[in-house]
Amino acid sequence: AQTVTQSQPEMSVQEAETVTLSCTYDTSESDYYLFWYKQPPSRQMILVIRQEAYKQQNATENRFSVNFQKAAKSFSLKISDSQLGDAAMYFCAYRRDRQGGKLIFGQGTELSVKP
Amino acid sequence: DSGVTQTPKHLITATGQRVTLRCSPRSGDLSVYWYQQSLDQGLQFLIQYYNGEERAKGNILERFSAQQFPDLHSELNLSSLELGDSALYFCASSANTGIVSDTQYFGPGTRLTVL
Repeated sequence: AQTVTQSQPEMSVQEAETVTLSCTYDTSESDYYLFWYKQPPSRQMILVIRQEAYKQQNATENRFSVNFQKAAKSFSLKISDSQLGDAAMYFCAYRRDRQGGKLIFGQGTELSVKP
Repeated sequence: DSGVTQTPKHLITATGQRVTLRCSPRSGDLSVYWYQQSLDQGLQFLIQYYNGEERAKGNILERFSAQQFPDLHSELNLSSLELGDSALYFCASSANTGIVSDTQYFGPGTRLTVL
């Protein structure tokens, strides 16, 4: 069974600084998808970034980028120029099926941003 | 706003009761997913429907059931409620067209409190 592990329950970053959130996963599949979702205090789940396993190039969305290491089964999220609005719970998620299917989530990392 | 709507936002009920949570997917999305977020279990996949048919089942209790109607809205029915069923229940939808960029968009969730 696939599993997703986020080993950092809490992280803190100074405003305008850079922070990296870690995620590892376990799978025997070669084709899969990885996601980072953000859950602010409103509890809404917001997609931050997506990575397809067959792509070697790391995904980037504005200030958010990932470091995808397929062999190591590692998928970290880097947030540059951190802003107060980035404070939230961040979940790493895995999806096996190319045509959709369930997301398997990690336990989450609570990120606080200090002014 | 993800385009996924869920009602009600909050629900408070007693043990042994039955409740129905409702979800309307984004316009055009054929797949609906239900997830449960609780403090002890984290975010867990419950069930997926695609165009009215059950597609996949996760850690869904026998006391829970769901269905997707011809207009594609979905309902999650929880019966014989226990204190441990208190959680945030999310609905997500996706297009499921087979395109690899298929993404799940989450609704705002229904907060269920069982007293």
